[in-house]
Amino acid sequence: AQTVTQSQPEMSVQEAETVTLSCTYDTSENNYYLFWYKQPPSRQMILVIRQEAYKQQNATENRFSVNFQKAAKSFSLKISDSQLGDTAMYFCAFMRGGATNKLIFGTGTLLAVQP
Amino acid sequence: EAGVAQSPRYKIIEKRQSVAFWCNPISGHATLYWYQQILGQGPKLLIQFQNNGVVDDSQLPKDRFSAERLKGVDSTLKIQPAKLEDSAVYLCASSLLGGRARNEQFFGPGTRLTVL
Repeated sequence: AQTVTQSQPEMSVQEAETVTLSCTYDTSENNYYLFWYKQPPSRQMILVIRQEAYKQQNATENRFSVNFQKAAKSFSLKISDSQLGDTAMYFCAFMRGGATNKLIFGTGTLLAVQP
Repeated sequence: EAGVAQSPRYKIIEKRQSVAFWCNPISGHATLYWYQQILGQGPKLLIQFQNNGVVDDSQLPKDRFSAERLKGVDSTLKIQPAKLEDSAVYLCASSLLGGRARNEQFFGPGTRLTVL
């Protein structure tokens, strides 16, 4: 069975600084996808960034980038130039390739951006 | 484009009562998911529909939970009877059927259930 572990329950960063959120996962699959989702307080979950396991190049989306280490089964999220609006719960998620699109989530990291 | 709609947003019931949640996915999205998010945890998939057929309901407590998507569009999730441990946010999500885009799930605002 696949598992996703986020070992940082809470993180804090100053506005305009850079922060890295950690995620590790366990799977025997070779075809899979990894995601970071953002859940702001009392607002709905939105996709931040996605990584296909077969791609060696790390995904980037504006100020968000990942460090995907397939052999180590590590998938960290880097947020550059942090903004107050980045304050949210961040979930790392795993999806096995194939017919079902079941997302397996970690327990989340609560990120607070301080002014 | 309208997002995933859910109602009600909040519900408070007593244990052993029944409750139902409604979800309307994004237009054209064939796949619909119901997740349970207990406080302090990540969401857990309860059931996945593709059109009006069930793809995965392996983690749905079938003795008390049921879900349907009769016309392949909107869906209802029911709990009968509710237990204290069912207190959670119930999230509905939808995605396109095929291609790379099927991997992106769009989430609704959720229904926060409190069982007293």
